[in-house]
Amino acid sequence: QVQLVESGGGLVKPGGSLRLSCSASAFALSDSYVTWVRQAPGKGLEWISYISPSGSTIFSADSMKGRITISRDNAKNSVYLQVDSLRAEDTAVYFCSTEICTSGSCYLDPWGQGTLVTVSS
Amino acid sequence: EIVLTQSPATLSLSPGDRATLSCRASESISPYLVWYQQKPGQAPRLVIYDASKRASGIPARVSGSGSGADFTLTISSLEPEDSAIYYCQHRGSWPPEYTFGQGTKLEI
Repeated sequence: QVQLVESGGGLVKPGGSLRLSCSASAFALSDSYVTWVRQAPGKGLEWISYISPSGSTIFSADSMKGRITISRDNAKNSVYLQVDSLRAEDTAVYFCSTEICTSGSCYLDPWGQGTLVTVSS
Repeated sequence: EIVLTQSPATLSLSPGDRATLSCRASESISPYLVWYQQKPGQAPRLVIYDASKRASGIPARVSGSGSGADFTLTISSLEPEDSAIYYCQHRGSWPPEYTFGQGTKLEI
């Protein structure tokens, strides 16, 4: 069964950093465009960042530019999201997902179960 | 930047009813509109892509329609399991930025 699994979340103090991981089972993540989306408690979905299969194309939301770094290690079938200078408003569940594009839409499927990042002193 | 506005914010219906959820874009995006379903504590699940195509495993009583800037997700013969928050989504061609609506909570 195609599955994505995020890890690396946890409790971090304001100003701290975290490196989140997204790994895949039953398929080669190396062939996929991968995105990160986050969801603050009780709030909607917010797209964060995007990386191409080779890692040569990266794009991130303006709201987080300068504080996030997306990268990948295709040999480990994994994608990473480094978030620096964490603030309370970064508290959220962080999801990774793969992008599929048809001749029409691009959409995200599947999604991982998410990893919770809590920023608090 | 495309803005997606969903309405209503909350929809309370009974089993067997029909739900009509709206997603309006700030400009024409047809047919690049996607719908997700999210239940509490779960990741979003793809429901509709290309505005009207059902994802794998989605029952026929779920349908998407619309064009231009106005889109609708219709769920007929509602069942309690349809209770969830539904989000619409658009992804620009370049930059490849994803935009989500704020969600409609469907209560059965």
